[in-house]
Amino acid sequence: DVKVTQSSRYLVKRTGEKVFLECVQDMDHENMFWYRQDPGLGLRLIYFSYDVKMKEKGDIPEGYSVSREKKERFSLILESASTNQTSMYLCASTSAGERDTQYFGPGTRLTVL
Amino acid sequence: GESVGLHLPTLSVQEGDNSIINCAYSNSASDYFIWYKQESGKGPQFIIDIRSNMDKRQGQRVTVLLNKTVKHLSLQIAATQPGDSAVYFCAENWAGGGNKLTFGTGTQLKVEL
Repeated sequence: DVKVTQSSRYLVKRTGEKVFLECVQDMDHENMFWYRQDPGLGLRLIYFSYDVKMKEKGDIPEGYSVSREKKERFSLILESASTNQTSMYLCASTSAGERDTQYFGPGTRLTVL
Repeated sequence: GESVGLHLPTLSVQEGDNSIINCAYSNSASDYFIWYKQESGKGPQFIIDIRSNMDKRQGQRVTVLLNKTVKHLSLQIAATQPGDSAVYFCAENWAGGGNKLTFGTGTQLKVEL
């Protein structure tokens, strides 16, 4: 089975802190994605990566950055957390071959105070 | 931009009844569709997918129907069980979009005993 794990299920941070969210997948997938999920807005793409050291902006990249140093790991960084970044963050991965579903991690519920 | 939407935000059904969750998509170039189930506090879980060369696909207790003429997708769940209570999302993909998905906002399915 595909397994996507996220470093934390719940995080509480203060405004202005630097926040790292880690995601690891074990299926050798080339593509990885970071989304945030807010009530009534559905899943919105923040950043994605097609390969190691490659990154592309999604629909809402402002206030975020990412890092992909290894194929299995994709990190989301909040340089200076703000209260409007309180959300559920979801990581997903998929292969680069024939189009396939994205496999999601369990999510990280981030609260910024 | 293009979007995927759901007709009903909440659907309540009696245990044992069949459920039908609908989704409208607006990108006529979309040719791959996925249904996800998301239980409270968890990440989305793949249920079933369908490609545009098919009108219907069946899984275990689930059927997805695709009507390309009216750009409509539906998920049918047979003999709905309490464990089916969750939010259901549709997602779309098109060849020119790489592996990115566009998600609907979701429908909350509530199963009443």
